Amino acid sequence: AAGVIQSPRHLIKEKRETATLKCYPIPRHDTVYWYQQGPGQDPQFLISFYEKMQSDKGSIPDRFSAQQFSDYHSELNMSSLELGDSALYFCASGDANTGELFFGEGSRLTVL
Amino acid sequence: TQLLEQSPQFLSIQEGENLTVYCNSSSVFSSLQWYRQEPGEGPVLLVTVVTGGEVKKLKRLTFQFGDARKDSSLHITAAQPGDTGLYLCAGEVRDGGTSYGKLTFGQGTILTVHP
Repeated sequence: AAGVIQSPRHLIKEKRETATLKCYPIPRHDTVYWYQQGPGQDPQFLISFYEKMQSDKGSIPDRFSAQQFSDYHSELNMSSLELGDSALYFCASGDANTGELFFGEGSRLTVL
Repeated sequence: TQLLEQSPQFLSIQEGENLTVYCNSSSVFSSLQWYRQEPGEGPVLLVTVVTGGEVKKLKRLTFQFGDARKDSSLHITAAQPGDTGLYLCAGEVRDGGTSYGKLTFGQGTILTVHP
């Protein structure tokens, strides 16, 4: 069965640079979520989309933005990167009817 | 302040032993999900519990949702080395539909099962 696809899997950036992460949800899932997981921490909700519209916002810095496109893929844009942005970024997709989320394998961002 | 308190944070046991992981909160959840996460990988959904008092079994894993939908437990019977990993509980609160999928995770329990 198709899973959530994230790219790139690994990304290394310098401070103050910009990074873009991509997420391709499971086909026919109507919701996409972004989570950030720091080292040794639990995942923290950043932002979500339902049918390509932003549906909820969590602890997402103003330097970050995200959108969902017509083909349902989503991108998380991060600017003015800071050392503290180093983390695993997970995308998850879900079905509003079941309420279950399926996570991608994550994108590991390292800011030097 | 952690909305979901998960305990214990670390658990090291021998193969064949039983164990229980607890997830507690003062909040009522619409549903509670249990995930297992391998290092550097995404959380993998194990089970979703929705109804207060619900019990679900997945082979040697038993999941229970508290009657008040504020707490949950994961019990593993006869643990095996393959059960080693990070177990996360995550609660969902639906407030009219806008917060669907906005999960709040517990701190996680790192389980190590020794052969």
